[in-house]
Amino acid sequence: QQPVQSPQAVILREGEDAVINCSSSKALYSVHWYRQKHGEAPVFLMILLKGGEQKGHDKISASFNEKKQQSSLYLTASQLSYSGTYFCGTEMGTGNQFYFGTGTSLTVIP
Amino acid sequence: DAGVIQSPRHEVTEMGQEVTLRCKPISGHNSLFWYRQTMMRGLELLIYFNNNVPIDDSGMPEDRFSAKMPNASFSTLKIQPSEPRDSAVYFCASSQDSRNQPQHFGDGTRLSIL
Repeated sequence: QQPVQSPQAVILREGEDAVINCSSSKALYSVHWYRQKHGEAPVFLMILLKGGEQKGHDKISASFNEKKQQSSLYLTASQLSYSGTYFCGTEMGTGNQFYFGTGTSLTVIP
Repeated sequence: DAGVIQSPRHEVTEMGQEVTLRCKPISGHNSLFWYRQTMMRGLELLIYFNNNVPIDDSGMPEDRFSAKMPNASFSTLKIQPSEPRDSAVYFCASSQDSRNQPQHFGDGTRLSIL
């Protein structure tokens, strides 16, 4: 039931772009995105509430394809501060079940 | 504004001992979540409360784990008796509602059971 994220890990140079995918085997009602730096707590980035909705946060944006039960996080012109582990969080079913994805480790190097 | 406050930050104890983790959610938030994070299993939702009532405890691993929320500003997660495989970082998070709202995480409790 845990959403699967891909890739598991990615290394970027500053200024490069990246896409992180989150796929579920069950129907999704909403998708959250969080970033966790090493030794710290996850920090909320954004929520997508509708199928096909795209939201943006500075140079980080995301899309939600309800039909495909997928969400993607787009990081453009990456900065060193973007390094961390990114998690999607998904609400499934009618019972308010919430699951975090498997995580994607992103490292930005100079 | 104060964020979610967890205590203790670190706990080291011997197996068989009782462990109590504490959480104070953000004032005005009516949903509270307990998570466990390990390298092997990632971030797992253990239980969540809405308006102090446990809504879903399907993630609680065993009867050794119990959680309470006696009022809107305090929750505990108790492990009795503790085992080495319980070693993990335990996070508490709160939100304004259980659905479609950002979750704000505390700094976590790093628990080591020897």
